[in-house]
Amino acid sequence: DAGVIQSPRHEVTEMGQEVTLRCKPISGHDYLFWYRQTMMRGLELLIYFNNNVPIDDSGMPEDRFSAKMPNASFSTLKIQPSEPRDSAVYFCASSRPGQGVNEQFFGPGTRLTVL
Amino acid sequence: AQSVTQLDSQVPVFEEAPVELRCNYSSSVSVYLFWYVQYPNQGLQLLLKYLSGSTLVKGINGFEAEFNKSQTSFHLRKPSVHISDTAEYFCAVTAFNTNAGKSTFGDGTTLTVKP
Repeated sequence: DAGVIQSPRHEVTEMGQEVTLRCKPISGHDYLFWYRQTMMRGLELLIYFNNNVPIDDSGMPEDRFSAKMPNASFSTLKIQPSEPRDSAVYFCASSRPGQGVNEQFFGPGTRLTVL
Repeated sequence: AQSVTQLDSQVPVFEEAPVELRCNYSSSVSVYLFWYVQYPNQGLQLLLKYLSGSTLVKGINGFEAEFNKSQTSFHLRKPSVHISDTAEYFCAVTAFNTNAGKSTFGDGTTLTVKP
């Protein structure tokens, strides 16, 4: 398997623009997680899905952030409008705890810079 | 709910010296335990995990960890480190009675191996 795939790997945008981050989980994994990592706040869980349904979005910073999972092989994290404080590395991860795959498999991340 | 405390934010060591990265956790239910490693500009990857059985767990790259239920600890050790072990290390726990798949991560320990 190719692992968790994220795109783009790097994104530079200007304040106020819409940003869409994409994730393809490992085939067969039924949990998908979105994280944000910064020097100041460390690794933060933003939202996670089970079988394409959002289970807990309490980590989403504010209404400017939204996430969707239209099918088992694709998820998006959207920021609209973006702000400089959104600059961070965003990770997607997937797992399959019901089948004993309890650990999370992380993608390479998307480094977002908002100018 | 679970919480994870990594007792050292930074650990500098010389090459070929032993190292221990400390992790304590708190949970009202039994948990699975994990150590992840993050190399610069990469996502997290699993080093080792404890699910059940022997409390001494061996992982990749010569690392091992010991689960101590009475002290609620899961310290990571390596008898002789290499320059290539320089990375950030995360301890994580997942409650196993809910099948929720969600892990609680510590704040990370930066291991710097000096020549």
